[in-house]
Amino acid sequence: DIQMTQSPSFLSATVGDRVTINCKASQNINKYLNWYQQKLGEAPKRLIYNTNSLQTGIPSRFSGSGSGTDYTLTISSLQPEDVATYFCLQHNSGYTFGAGTKLELK
Amino acid sequence: QVQLEESGPGLMQPSETLSLTCTVSGFSLTSNGVGWVRQPLGKGLVWMGTIWAGGSTNYNSAVQSRLSISRDTSKSQVFLKMNSLQPEDTGTYYCARHRGYRNVMDAWGQGASVTVSS
Repeated sequence: DIQMTQSPSFLSATVGDRVTINCKASQNINKYLNWYQQKLGEAPKRLIYNTNSLQTGIPSRFSGSGSGTDYTLTISSLQPEDVATYFCLQHNSGYTFGAGTKLELK
Repeated sequence: QVQLEESGPGLMQPSETLSLTCTVSGFSLTSNGVGWVRQPLGKGLVWMGTIWAGGSTNYNSAVQSRLSISRDTSKSQVFLKMNSLQPEDTGTYYCARHRGYRNVMDAWGQGASVTVSS
């Protein structure tokens, strides 16, 4: 089974900051990596699919990159409404989620 | 508008069988798959299984012996049944749409909270 290691677990940043969240797979996942945002009490929302495709309706400050085993979600300029938990999902072989990154405002 | 909504009993006894329903709208189950994901209390998300547009299913090997996923396309409903419940099955259960094998979990329900306790 593919394991996903997400970092950091917790992140505190200021409005306007550039924020990066990372996921590392235990083996090559061929760019089959999605990113999700989950706000308290809400359903998860897909932000990015297949490494770098932006979901319709998601602001362009969100972007994804990576290949092989290493993937990154970037928020180019943090906004107050971005406070949430973010997690990755690999779907190259089965489905495995990262443990999540809780993002808060400093 | 794409929507998924989970429903089912909130409290279960150990050894009982859990039955959850995912009612969808805004898309057809004959052209989209639906997966189930659970989040044990205080832990991360775990994929449980998927029923695909053609009706075939895939299950997580960790729960495969206890899990069954089925559907009623005429009612736009997907069903999860899991037997031999234990307290560690406590958590929130989500259903999510798969638009294709490489376009997965693009829309999610709000989740159904399940507590297994005697």
